[in-house]
Amino acid sequence: QLVLTQLPSASASLGASVKLTCTLSSGHSSYGIAWHQQQPEKGPRYLMTVKSDGSHNKGDGIPDRFSGSSSGAERYLIISSLQSEDEADYYCQTWGTGIHVVFGGGTKLTVL
Amino acid sequence: EVPLVESGGGLVQPGGSLRLSCAASGFSFSNYWMSWVRQAPGKGLEWVANINQNENEKYYVDSVKGRFTISRDNAQNLLSLQMNSLRAEDTAMYYCAREGGPIDCWGQGTLVTVSS
Repeated sequence: QLVLTQLPSASASLGASVKLTCTLSSGHSSYGIAWHQQQPEKGPRYLMTVKSDGSHNKGDGIPDRFSGSSSGAERYLIISSLQSEDEADYYCQTWGTGIHVVFGGGTKLTVL
Repeated sequence: EVPLVESGGGLVQPGGSLRLSCAASGFSFSNYWMSWVRQAPGKGLEWVANINQNENEKYYVDSVKGRFTISRDNAQNLLSLQMNSLRAEDTAMYYCAREGGPIDCWGQGTLVTVSS
């Protein structure tokens, strides 16, 4: 069974960078994932897709401050020059035949 | 233009029924798998169901199998979720989502509250 694991919380200072991690369960390290942002009291927004080779494709209008990378079974979301509006919940998600749609538990990012 | 707009949520008693709709615009609706995703108050995202382009593949999370039915009308660019035998634990914001591989587009959500 494919499981996505995220730390429940993270924090970083205004103007700094942060790296959020999504870990694919054993045997699924070839899967790509998507990152979604959910600001307080808003619906989710698609940020980007990160493939196993580390390449990433961002959604329309996503700032350059957001990027993605990979290492083994880990997929990363890197946010640089943190702004107050980046304070949000971040979810990773994967998909595929037989697994349909799977979400990680989400990471709540606090901007200090 | 908002690509996905949900409607149909509301307050319903346990055991009742509700039908959610999602109107799609600005893209070729008939070319995409579509999903319903829900979020209970204070909780994370949970995939509920999805449907392929021509309706011959439909999948559901175990907790709603036999109670919920996903459908679509490609001529009307409309996605639906018929929810029967509703339970308190179905209380959530329900989002319509487009699957372009990953989910790459979300609606704004419609709130379903199951309570007596």
